[in-house]
Amino acid sequence: DTEVTQTPKHLVMGMTNKKSLKCEQHMGHRAMYWYKQKAKKPPELMFVYSYEKLSINESVPSRFSPECPNSSLLNLHLHALQPEDSALYLCASSQGSGPFYEQYFGPGTRLTVT
Amino acid sequence: AQTVTQSQPEMSVQEAETVTLSCTYDTSENNYYLFWYKQPPSRQMILVIRQEAYKQQNATENRFSVNFQKAAKSFSLKISDSQLGDTAMYFCAFMKAHSGNTPLVFGKGTRLSVIA
Repeated sequence: DTEVTQTPKHLVMGMTNKKSLKCEQHMGHRAMYWYKQKAKKPPELMFVYSYEKLSINESVPSRFSPECPNSSLLNLHLHALQPEDSALYLCASSQGSGPFYEQYFGPGTRLTVT
Repeated sequence: AQTVTQSQPEMSVQEAETVTLSCTYDTSENNYYLFWYKQPPSRQMILVIRQEAYKQQNATENRFSVNFQKAAKSFSLKISDSQLGDTAMYFCAFMKAHSGNTPLVFGKGTRLSVIA
């Protein structure tokens, strides 16, 4: 099983809503990532979890709150988002940290903030 | 800071032909990794090929090969015998060769269309 799954596929939310994105992998990977990808742009790293601990936070606004409840699951909690936060949110995982390990990407959640 | 530049926003190639996608990068690091990722329309991004900077031999994966010129900081991707399924956005990416977490730095991408 080399699959990273993400739910939901699409999400529309208002600026006052609270919602969560979910990412799951069952490959035994110990590093998990959140990326944000705007249309026709490359992915931008938001957060990295390594062994369930947050190891990189790329100066992401506090309205995005990551959570790693266990080694297979990664959540991204969203609150008070802005329309400019509309994007494709990609999750990825890798066996370990660093360039030696291939990152496997999920299909993404397409988020629209109204 | 590292930067990755892909100078070709869009390219097209006839099926069965060969195409080369360009990538240049800037870094002061001596040891690092370079990657090409493929993102098909509405499908998951996958790793196509990876090159370690300290290896002089160019990486190859079936129909995909790279031309790595370390001194010129150039890392082009050659796709031979192009297939319709190669239609995708291709991202060149850079990562420092540290053992801990370091970010992948992506270029802006090249949209490749394979025409029947």
